Amino acid sequence: KAGVTQTPRYLIKTRGQQVTLSCSPISGHRSVSWYQQTPGQGLQFLFEYFSETQRNKGNFPGRFSGRQFSNSRSEMNVSTLELGDSALYLCASKLRGEAYETQYFGPGTRLLVL
Amino acid sequence: ELKVEQNPLFLSMQEGKNYTIYCNYSTTSDRLYWYRQDPGKSLESLFVLLSNGAVKQEGRLMASLDTKARLSTLHITAAVHDLSATYFCAVDMDSNYQLIWGAGTKLIIKP
Repeated sequence: KAGVTQTPRYLIKTRGQQVTLSCSPISGHRSVSWYQQTPGQGLQFLFEYFSETQRNKGNFPGRFSGRQFSNSRSEMNVSTLELGDSALYLCASKLRGEAYETQYFGPGTRLLVL
Repeated sequence: ELKVEQNPLFLSMQEGKNYTIYCNYSTTSDRLYWYRQDPGKSLESLFVLLSNGAVKQEGRLMASLDTKARLSTLHITAAVHDLSATYFCAVDMDSNYQLIWGAGTKLIIKP
C-alpha cells in the first residue's frame, strides 16, 4: 500500500510569490491534515479536511488556504510569501479522521522563501 | 489556550539505561499521541492513548496517560542506539480534529 505522498519535495520561492503544495493520502483515507514545522515554532496545525470539507483551521493568517478534492487529494496554497513561511510542510492522512486512528505522515515539502 | 510541554528537550544517554520523557498539557483532554521523527525525515506514529490510565507498549518503549494529572510519559527501557530520534507528544483539542504539539525531545543514545 502506497504511503502519503507530497509534491514537490523541495521548493524555493521569493517573497511575494505564491505557492501550491500537493498531498495524496493513503488510498481510501478521507481525512487530510496539514502541519507547518519550523525550528522556532515547532509543529503547528494548519487545517484538516474530510470529504472535501474543512473541519478545522489553526491559527494562521488568511494567506494560508487549502482544499480537498473528491479523490481526497489535498492542496494547500500560501499567497504573498514571507520569509517566515520557510518551513517543512507536512501532510498526514487518516481513514476517517477519528481520534483512535493512526495518523500517517508524508515526507513533507521543504519550502525556502528568499 | 492549550499548551503542551515536554521535558527534557534534550537527552543524551548510554545504551542499556532506562529513562522517561514527560509530556504535560494544560487543559482537559483524553487524547494524546506520541510520534518519532528521525533527522531529515517525516513523523512516524508510535502510540495513540485515548483514556485515563491507558498504557501502550512496543518493544523498548512504553507510553502511559494520566488525564487527571494531564501527564503522559514515554518510558525507554534498556535503550539502544536505534532509538535515537526526536520524540513528540501531541494532544487533541477535544473534538476539534486539531493536534497541539510539544516541542519535541531530542534523544541521543550513545553506544
